[in-house]
Amino acid sequence: AQRVTQPEKLLSVFKGAPVELKCNYSYSGSPELFWYVQYSRQRLQLLLRHISRESIKGFTADLNKGETSFHLKKPFAQEEDSAMYYCALYYGGSQGNLIFGKGTKLSVKP
Amino acid sequence: ETGVTQSPTHLIKTRGQQVTLRCSSQSGHNTVSWYQQALGQGPQFIFQYYREEENGRGNFPPRFSGLQFPNYSSELNVNALELDDSALYLCASSFGVAGTPGELFFGEGSRLTVL
Repeated sequence: AQRVTQPEKLLSVFKGAPVELKCNYSYSGSPELFWYVQYSRQRLQLLLRHISRESIKGFTADLNKGETSFHLKKPFAQEEDSAMYYCALYYGGSQGNLIFGKGTKLSVKP
Repeated sequence: ETGVTQSPTHLIKTRGQQVTLRCSSQSGHNTVSWYQQALGQGPQFIFQYYREEENGRGNFPPRFSGLQFPNYSSELNVNALELDDSALYLCASSFGVAGTPGELFFGEGSRLTVL
């Protein structure tokens, strides 16, 4: 069965430190993975998707099929990065067929 | 560009009652998905509507039903409410077949409390 695991509920780092938010998935097909972010008092929004191999707000994520991982990384965290981050797997069919992880709350301290 | 709007923002119901939640999709979007987000969990896919028909469903019982209207707005109906239905209900819209699968635009949600 398809599954997305985010092992950390909370990740706390200091400003300027590197950040890595972990995401592991279980899926027998060819995965399409996403990171969604929810800033305080804002709606859930797409941060980046693996297929476009882009860097958004300094964040990158590489799909590692061997380790079935899609970790989100940023070399130097900023206070405005504090938010809830969700990893999501699209498993085909209708566009909304996303499985979300439980999320990791990132707290960047000054 | 108008984003996804949902109503009501909060509501309280009792067990056994029925509830209707509403969603207006983002301008230009013709597909609406509904998600349930329980406390401390990620959103869970309920179903999706495209061209006024359900075209995808997650692991939710039939008492969860929906509608989509010609203007692409949508309703989520839940019958025979149970305590476990207490959650944030998120609506998300997308471009349909012209869009990127998995790329969704979310509303702020309707928080349902069942007593």
